[in-house]
Amino acid sequence: LAKTTQPISMDSYEGQEVNITCSHNNIATNDYITWYQQFPSQGPRFIIQGYKTKVTNEVASLFIPADRKSSTLSLPRVSLSDTAVYYCLVGDRGLTGGGNKLTFGTGTQLKVEL
Amino acid sequence: DTEVTQTPKHLVMGMTNKKSLKCEQHMGHRAMYWYKQKAKKPPELMFVYSYEKLSINESVPSRFSPECPNSSLLNLHLHALQPEDSALYLCASSPRGNEQFFGPGTRLTVL
Repeated sequence: LAKTTQPISMDSYEGQEVNITCSHNNIATNDYITWYQQFPSQGPRFIIQGYKTKVTNEVASLFIPADRKSSTLSLPRVSLSDTAVYYCLVGDRGLTGGGNKLTFGTGTQLKVEL
Repeated sequence: DTEVTQTPKHLVMGMTNKKSLKCEQHMGHRAMYWYKQKAKKPPELMFVYSYEKLSINESVPSRFSPECPNSSLLNLHLHALQPEDSALYLCASSPRGNEQFFGPGTRLTVL
């Protein structure tokens, strides 16, 4: 499994755009990049997943350069409720539904202030 | 029903006790997972069940015993735990490998 490296923490203010970058130099051809969000004492929540270029949903955007050795999670106009730990994971998508091994890195603690 | 439920929310047990954690999902997912999470650490995978069969055991001590009675239910039986086993135990399920749906967890304290 490809190892990921993220900043340990980031601070932002309400209304700003936040970009969290993840490094995954050893990403394999079949690997997808997935981001999860976790609030204290809750289970992680899937945010977004991508393979290359750009993916956008109602919550975030994911930018992946051509070499796929890094990715950037972009959160537009954050609010206090976006304060959480954000995990970047890289691995096979496991489309067979047979289960897969997710390895969480240390994550990035995002703190949003007024 | 689009959620994973876990019971109990909190559990306190002694080192000689036997207890069980329960996880349930009705989304038709055929893969289910147990994770352990210590404070300020990322979740660590313990077990993966695929189509009700154990497919991954991350070298978890035998005092943790998983069980998958059917496609909707996952149990984790606990026996002779140690204080260092105190943690948040998370259950997850998935239709595809990387998009896992997590439950709220069971906060376990071993005295």
